[in-house]
Amino acid sequence: SQQGEEDPQALSIQEGENATMNCSYKTSINNLQWYRQNSGRGLVHLILIRSNEREKHSGRLRVTLDTSKKSSSLLITASRAADTASYFCATDAPSNTGKLIFGQGTTLQVKP
Amino acid sequence: EAGVAQSPRYKIIEKRQSVAFWCNPISGHATLYWYQQILGQGPKLLIQFQNNGVVDDSQLPKDRFSAERLKGVDSTLKIQPAKLEDSAVYLCASSLGRGWSTNEKLFFGSGTQLSVL
Repeated sequence: SQQGEEDPQALSIQEGENATMNCSYKTSINNLQWYRQNSGRGLVHLILIRSNEREKHSGRLRVTLDTSKKSSSLLITASRAADTASYFCATDAPSNTGKLIFGQGTTLQVKP
Repeated sequence: EAGVAQSPRYKIIEKRQSVAFWCNPISGHATLYWYQQILGQGPKLLIQFQNNGVVDDSQLPKDRFSAERLKGVDSTLKIQPAKLEDSAVYLCASSLGRGWSTNEKLFFGSGTQLSVL
């Protein structure tokens, strides 16, 4: 079963705008990760946020985590056409084996 | 450093045929994962290896799927016999696998796209 669920399922914006994607999960976690997947390719790790962290930045990416609401958001600022991809959140499984459970993803289209 | 290598890139087979996928993880990575990604969905873990031992295969359809990582390095995933619903992208990933650490990122290969006709 899926642990993380992203919202919205699809998002279309103009270049230069900000894109916000949300992820909700069901059980307690040690960390939450965000990955990007370009069409026809494998997933690429973007950022990892631990359960005791509330916000993390990496370049144009900003991730927040609210463990009380069991939710996370990924903000991409000043989007570019190259940001067009699917974005997935992933949470570690309660079994603590390093297994990651992925959500269904948000498909982002950035129009030039 | 070299990434996770997978082959073949594409495979088309008839239902009830068998197929095998190969994965070579990043050198030194102890943990290897096989994920199945159906079109429009997120990846679903099929099996996780720590060195050559199985950590989790709870979602592997064992009546038709098998996987091995005999020497703790590269791995093969086999489907026999294939069904129409097995059409998906099969992704291999690896991580350092330092004990039971849960704060590790995964490195993915480009995947094998399987079409079962």
